[in-house]
Amino acid sequence: DAKTTQPTSMDCAEGRAANLPCNHSTISGNEYVYWYRQIHSQGPQYIIHGLKNNETNEMASLIITEDRKSSTLILPHATLRDTAVYYCIVRVRNTGTASKLTFGTGTRLQVTL
Amino acid sequence: NAGVMQNPRHLVRRRGQEARLRCSPMKGHSHVYWYRQLPEEGLKFMVYLQKENIIDESGMPKERFSAEFPKEGPSILRIQQVVRGDSAAYFCASSPEQKDNYGYTFGSGTRLTVV
Repeated sequence: DAKTTQPTSMDCAEGRAANLPCNHSTISGNEYVYWYRQIHSQGPQYIIHGLKNNETNEMASLIITEDRKSSTLILPHATLRDTAVYYCIVRVRNTGTASKLTFGTGTRLQVTL
Repeated sequence: NAGVMQNPRHLVRRRGQEARLRCSPMKGHSHVYWYRQLPEEGLKFMVYLQKENIIDESGMPKERFSAEFPKEGPSILRIQQVVRGDSAAYFCASSPEQKDNYGYTFGSGTRLTVV
């Protein structure tokens, strides 16, 4: 699986949009971009994933650049409960057998009043 | 639809004892993954299992650790002769069969403390 690079930490004011970048310059055509978060030692929580098109769900939006070498997770209106470590992961597409997710160090997002 | 269930939530063992951690995947999920998180560190993959088969155990320590996912019942992560360095949070995740482009669902974890 391709390696990802994320900033170690970020701050965001409550109510503002949180934009979390991720570089995955060695991503290949059959790899998805996944985002998870972990709130204070709880189990990781799935947020969103995409292949090449931008994606949006009730939690967040995922913007993937045209060359797929980087992406941005957007939390449109951050709240204090969004304070967590956010992991960007690339993972090979379905080959008939589910494959493991490899977690890096992630970005520690601190949402403040 | 219950999520991934892990028990116990907290487990205390003395050095040299055995620890058994259980994971019941979500209904309809036949793939199970175990991860370990040492204090102040990230999640490290340990093992990936399907029913009655170990698919990838590349992250498992070579000694004292074993995992199974029987045809019936939960997946079990077993640690024999625990040492203080085994103290960590152990997370289990599950995913559906043949749907690799699907996010895992994680359990709440088991916090193992070795005293």
